Amino acid sequence: DGGITQSPKYLFRKEGQNVTLSCEQNLNHDAMYWYRQDPGQGLRLIYYSQIVNDFQKGDIAEGYSVSREKKESFPLTVTSAQKNPTAFYLCASSISAGGLYEQYFGPGTRLTVT
Amino acid sequence: GENVEQHPSTLSVQEGDSAVIKCTYSDSASNYFPWYKQELGKGPQLIIDIRSNVGEKKDQRIAVTLNKTAKHFSLHITETQPEDSAVYFCAASMTGTASKLTFGTGTRLQVTL
Repeated sequence: DGGITQSPKYLFRKEGQNVTLSCEQNLNHDAMYWYRQDPGQGLRLIYYSQIVNDFQKGDIAEGYSVSREKKESFPLTVTSAQKNPTAFYLCASSISAGGLYEQYFGPGTRLTVT
Repeated sequence: GENVEQHPSTLSVQEGDSAVIKCTYSDSASNYFPWYKQELGKGPQLIIDIRSNVGEKKDQRIAVTLNKTAKHFSLHITETQPEDSAVYFCAASMTGTASKLTFGTGTRLQVTL
């Protein structure tokens, strides 16, 4: 089966700790994205990557970091600098960047920081 | 940057009735408008999209209309069924390698029996 996997589904961390969310795709897509979803605010773009070893900040990148060492993988690290890290995080991919291609989403990771 | 507004935030309809969700966008350069459906506990999934060179597109019970002059687009679902209950997001983007989707805030559709 082709698709996007995110793990874990639920994640709990103590305040002050960094945490890394996993995102893997086997669709052979060049572009990958990380979104944050909060109630009533839709999806907000954190980071995106058009190709391996390249990534750009989205609208709310502060307190987050990413890497794209492999085409299939785009992990997101939520650092202790992120003031409100509790949220639902969605990873997506598309054949290419450019805004005109369907984005395929993973099932999401719900992060709770206390 | 682009700003997308979506209304209503919640919508309740009876099974068999029609549902309409409306979005407006701010950047006249936007030329791609997808609609995503998100079921509880899952990631969003594309259900229909429209590009700026057409005014309407249909796929079975789902249709999308686009008014470029007014900068708004709408999702129409006819003969609604309980499985249509979900959160729907509109989005907008434009051509360009660095462009990205800007999403609306979502509409929670509830189809009641």
